Amino acid sequence: ILNVEQSPQSLHVQEGDSTNFTCSFPSSNFYALHWYRWETAKSPEALFVMTLNGDEKKKGRISATLNTKEGYSYLYIKGSQPEDSATYLCAPLGTGNQFYFGTGTSLTVIP
Amino acid sequence: DAEITQSPRHKITETGRQVTLACHQTWNHNNMFWYRQDLGHGLRLIHYSYGVQDTNKGEVSDGYSVSRSNTEDLPLTLESAASSQTSVYFCASSPKTSVTSDEQFFGPGTRLTVL
Repeated sequence: ILNVEQSPQSLHVQEGDSTNFTCSFPSSNFYALHWYRWETAKSPEALFVMTLNGDEKKKGRISATLNTKEGYSYLYIKGSQPEDSATYLCAPLGTGNQFYFGTGTSLTVIP
Repeated sequence: DAEITQSPRHKITETGRQVTLACHQTWNHNNMFWYRQDLGHGLRLIHYSYGVQDTNKGEVSDGYSVSRSNTEDLPLTLESAASSQTSVYFCASSPKTSVTSDEQFFGPGTRLTVL
């Protein structure tokens, strides 16, 4: 079992603020890390798939970095908008080719 | 359009009954997964399959079983439902190109209540 921690658990920011979240996991037995975005009353949707140390991915105002040696990934949102309000899940792929999801960071962007 | 569906969307059952939750995808994906989601926990993997006739136990497989007789379907069976299995269940699928780089596509979820 891979112990995955996400911080903070929840976050309220003003529209236009930039923010970032952390996903921490044991750095050994690591193969890949996925980020998912989960809006209320919907299903999780993939944001990024990251497989290499130093990987950086970007989609519009959202970007992510991966540090496999120290066991963490950061997700950044620049200039938050109300439509960014969602829970952001990270899921490292660990031993046995199983994904272990964190409990997520719940983001609320206040207009 | 290709999609992944789950049925039923809501189910109430009694302790001890056998329950089967259906998952059907039309993307022709080889990989399929079942997760449960509970307060205070992330999505936890119950069972997964990397192709027809292939099934594997996940982190929380006790009390659950799956079978994969075709590419499109991975039904999840609770052999004897327990109150601890009250949860929201999500099915997901991904293409077979690579487990590491393939994103998963999630179904809408099934809310199961065991009384």
